[in-house]
Amino acid sequence: GAGVSQTPSNKVTEKGKYVELRCDPISGHTALYWYRQSLGQGPEFLIYFQGTGAADDSGLPNDRFFAVRPEGSVSTLKIQRTERGDSAVYLCASSGTGGSDEQFFGPGTRLTVL
Amino acid sequence: GESVGLHLPTLSVQEGDNSIINCAYSNSASDYFIWYKQESGKGPQFIIDIRSNMDKRQGQRVTVLLNKTVKHLSLQIAATQPGDSAVYFCAVYTSGTYKYIFGTGTRLKVLA
Repeated sequence: GAGVSQTPSNKVTEKGKYVELRCDPISGHTALYWYRQSLGQGPEFLIYFQGTGAADDSGLPNDRFFAVRPEGSVSTLKIQRTERGDSAVYLCASSGTGGSDEQFFGPGTRLTVL
Repeated sequence: GESVGLHLPTLSVQEGDNSIINCAYSNSASDYFIWYKQESGKGPQFIIDIRSNMDKRQGQRVTVLLNKTVKHLSLQIAATQPGDSAVYFCAVYTSGTYKYIFGTGTRLKVLA
């Protein structure tokens, strides 16, 4: 498809478990963003990749959160020792070159930590 | 820290009327502003943007107004339709950073 895809669409896990969330950006887009959206809130910035490198990871809430983009396309957001407060929708967006280029969002992964 | 707020959590309008959704931001250095529409179960969708060197920009049925003096922007939707029902977010970008700061959102309900 031509848009940003995210898998899984829903993930239910138990407190303390490890989860991985995947993002497939639009082909050719060098910029990739992860956001977290809690119920009734706007998306909250987590991390920004330009190519393979994390240009800004200042939004990651703590060291349980980590993201990679090893080949400059697909990205994986990894959460260790999940907590109930991690429950949210995790959104991925990509843009052509970053900066003020239009961002295209995926449908998100809804994470529920029991 | 930097914040982006909206004046109303919910806005109800009659079909065919005009809608105005407002957003306030805190960082006077912000120079790019975007309005997004988010429908249930979907990611935000770009509606219209404006840069800080402009104070008004029009699209199809939508207009964004920017007042840098009071750090306020608004989204106007003309002849609101049932398909406009969604949550609307403003997002603010500052050159030199890499992040967009989103507001909390306004839910627009269109009444038939």
